[in-house]
Amino acid sequence: EPEVTQTPSHQVTQMGQEVILRCVPISNHLYFYWYRQILGQKVEFLVSFYNNEISEKSEIFDDQFSVERPDGSNFTLKIRSTKLEDSAMYFCAIRIAGGTDTQYFGPGTRLTVL
Amino acid sequence: GESVGLHLPTLSVQEGDNSIINCAYSNSASDYFIWYKQESGKGPQFIIDIRSNMDKRQGQRVTVLLNKTVKHLSLQIAATQPGDSAVYFCAENNNAGGTSYGKLTFGQGTILTVHP
Repeated sequence: EPEVTQTPSHQVTQMGQEVILRCVPISNHLYFYWYRQILGQKVEFLVSFYNNEISEKSEIFDDQFSVERPDGSNFTLKIRSTKLEDSAMYFCAIRIAGGTDTQYFGPGTRLTVL
Repeated sequence: GESVGLHLPTLSVQEGDNSIINCAYSNSASDYFIWYKQESGKGPQFIIDIRSNMDKRQGQRVTVLLNKTVKHLSLQIAATQPGDSAVYFCAENNNAGGTSYGKLTFGQGTILTVHP
């Protein structure tokens, strides 16, 4: 199973501040994903990223969100102006190049917006 | 629209028993299904998957059954152990026509508690 790490494990920020969440997959991969999980709720899809561009995004992924892979390794999710309702666990997932459709998830970043 | 849901939110079993966790889906075009296990404070961990051209798939101590007629998915865990205690999510993907890049739609989750 491919390893996916995420940093930070916990981020506390003030409402209106920008945050950047990072994902570092340790293998060759093809697709990247961000999901979020509000406490006690199900996991929700945010965005998929393929060939250095967004391939699909959900209604949650509005103009306040952006993703990029700046150095060919780290995959980042930026929230420009955080809102209270952005508080959640954010999970990165990857799908291996030449493999199955299985998505492997990272340990998540807990974002708390005050 | 796409939706995936679970019949039972909680399941409590004794160690050594077999567990069955159920999931219903509404999108008949879904062609790929996955079960994930999520322990407290951790990310979803892949358990087993199945494609829509199959009815059954077995792994180590786990079996996934797919009934496309009634749009039902189940996860069977044999000889359940305390370490199996977690929240279990089913998820589905519809890549019909190549319009999806792997977006997973998750169900609400079932809490499995295994008593020693």
